[in-house]
Amino acid sequence: SYELTQPLSVSVALGQTARITCGGNNIGSKNVHWYQQKPGQAPVLVIYRDSNRPSGIPERFSGSNSGNTATLTISRAQAGDEADYYCQVWDSSTAGVFGGGTKLTVL
Amino acid sequence: EVQLVESGGVVVQPGGSLRLSCAASGFTFDDYAMHWVRQAPGKGLEWVSLISWDGGSTYYADSVKGRFTISRDNSKNSLYLQMNSLRAEDTALYYCAKDGEVTPGGYYFDYWGQGTLVTVSS
Repeated sequence: SYELTQPLSVSVALGQTARITCGGNNIGSKNVHWYQQKPGQAPVLVIYRDSNRPSGIPERFSGSNSGNTATLTISRAQAGDEADYYCQVWDSSTAGVFGGGTKLTVL
Repeated sequence: EVQLVESGGVVVQPGGSLRLSCAASGFTFDDYAMHWVRQAPGKGLEWVSLISWDGGSTYYADSVKGRFTISRDNSKNSLYLQMNSLRAEDTALYYCAKDGEVTPGGYYFDYWGQGTLVTVSS
């Protein structure tokens, strides 16, 4: 079965750039999607198909995907960006797959 | 405005059954595949099931295969999840989610409901 690996936590200073990784075997050949989830709330799609932002998502959020690692980048991090972030792919054999999630802390 | 409203979550005994519903509005329901995603208390997200726009194709996570059945009624803009032989590990908040692209679909989730809580406990 296909697996995605994320760091448990990432910390970033206010105003700096946070990078959250998502590792998987040849993940660069798949479409990667990212979700933000704040406590007590439903997840929100922030990046789809590796690097596309839905309407309403700030340009500070960007994504890339190559080789065995996909990355969500949050520029000029704000206190309101503190949340859990999940990557997700669709695999032909495993179907829907989420990473374990990364807790982002803004210091 | 897209809205997804889940219902049906309750406390149920191990081995019991339950049917979850999701009422959709604000988009052309039968243009999109639909999903169920769950989240156990304090844990991460787990994809559960997918149904195609017309109900002709369904997919399940291995953890629920053979026990859960996804269905939809396009005339009622509604999605369902029939859950049988429930186990303690099925305890979770169950989200209804809309696929991000029209058929054949993008296999990601652009809108989510607020979830309905299923607790399996004796």
